[in-house]
Parts: sequence; structure tokens; C-alpha cells
Amino acid sequence: GAGVSQSPSNKVTEKGKDVELRCDPISGHTALYWYRQRLGQGLEFLIYFQGNSAPDKSGLPSDRFSAERTGESVSTLTIQRTQQEDSAVYLCASSLGVYNEQFFGPGTRLTVL
Amino acid sequence: GENVEQHPSTLSVQEGDSAVIKCTYSDSASNYFPWYKQELGKRPQLIIDIRSNVGEKKDQRIAVTLNKTAKHFSLHITETQPEDSAVYFCAASPGGTASKLTFGTGTRLQVML
Repeated sequence: GAGVSQSPSNKVTEKGKDVELRCDPISGHTALYWYRQRLGQGLEFLIYFQGNSAPDKSGLPSDRFSAERTGESVSTLTIQRTQQEDSAVYLCASSLGVYNEQFFGPGTRLTVL
Repeated sequence: GENVEQHPSTLSVQEGDSAVIKCTYSDSASNYFPWYKQELGKRPQLIIDIRSNVGEKKDQRIAVTLNKTAKHFSLHITETQPEDSAVYFCAASPGGTASKLTFGTGTRLQVML
């Protein structure tokens, strides 16, 4: 079956603009995660969705970042008033449950000029 | 919060030799420890994981050991091959939940012919 997909694969934007990143998890996966990976760095947790429970937003770096998920499917990560330090690869992952393997998408490379 | 330190940052070994990567964590409540492999330009993929109720787990040439008392865990790759060359990330789940993984900063492994 299809893996986790993300779009766009690359996004170049100007400082101050808003961007929206999309993640399509594997069908049937109830858990969905967003991570940020700066160049040469590890993965930084941003937010986690599990079914219909309230999301864990504790990793969001500022109130410019928000995310939504429609049921157990598509999720969007929105960054408002982008800054240059937001430049990174944003990775989405999904899993059957919290103790199951997380499958990662290919990421969206965001460049803020 | 959880803090995961990973060493070394880079590791070069001759083909056929063993490679060991070590991680320490700070939250004694962490109980899930996955290892991910990320090839250049590709998404992270889970290669092995261990839960706190066991001290060692092996899968062919890959093994992970966990010392809960000392709060460290290690990845062991034996008989290394060129295709093992990649960045390896350890992670730990703080507070006993695997929903919010804290990642190490990665180890770039290069297997030389």
C-alpha cells in the first residue's frame, strides 16, 4: 500500500508569508506526528495527533505554528509570518498506535528567503 | 523535559568491522527506545527498537542494548557493509509514552571499502 505522502516536496517563500504543508498518513493509522529537521540536526518533535483526542502541541516553537487533522486522515501544518529560522525539512509520520513503528513521509523542504 | 545525547557525531569504519553508537537519556520514566536510519536525502526508517522490559534485542547484524540504571542504550552493527553508510538517530520516549519521541543529534556512519 501507499506510504506517508507529503506536499509540496519543496517550498520557497518570502519572510513574512504564511505557508501550509500537507501530510497524508497511511490509511488506518490513528497516530500522526510532525517533526522539524534543521540541516545536520536531529528530529525535533512539533505536534502529535491520536484519533479524536486533543493533540499534544507541546513541541510547537511559537504561536505562529499550528496544525490540524481531519479525523484520522489528512493533516496540515501552518506556519504564519514565516521567519528565516523556520527554514528546515518538515517531516510527517504516522503509526497504528503510540507503541507502533512510526513511518515517515519524504518531508517538505521549506526555505524562507 | 527529556534530553538525549548521542555519540559519536561521526564514525568511520572499515567494511567488515563493527560499529557502536551510544546514547544517554535523562528521563528515568522513558521506556521506548527506537533507532532510525536516514540515508542521504531520504526519510528516516526504523531499524530496531527496544522497550525497557528487556536489556538486549538483536536482529541479524544489528543489536541494541539498554542499561536502565545508567540510562544509556547503544546500537551495535556487526560485519558492516557499504550500504550501512547513513545517519543513525536514537530516540527516547519521555514520560513513558512513545507519542513524543526525543531524538539524538545523529551519528554519520561511513563504511569504507
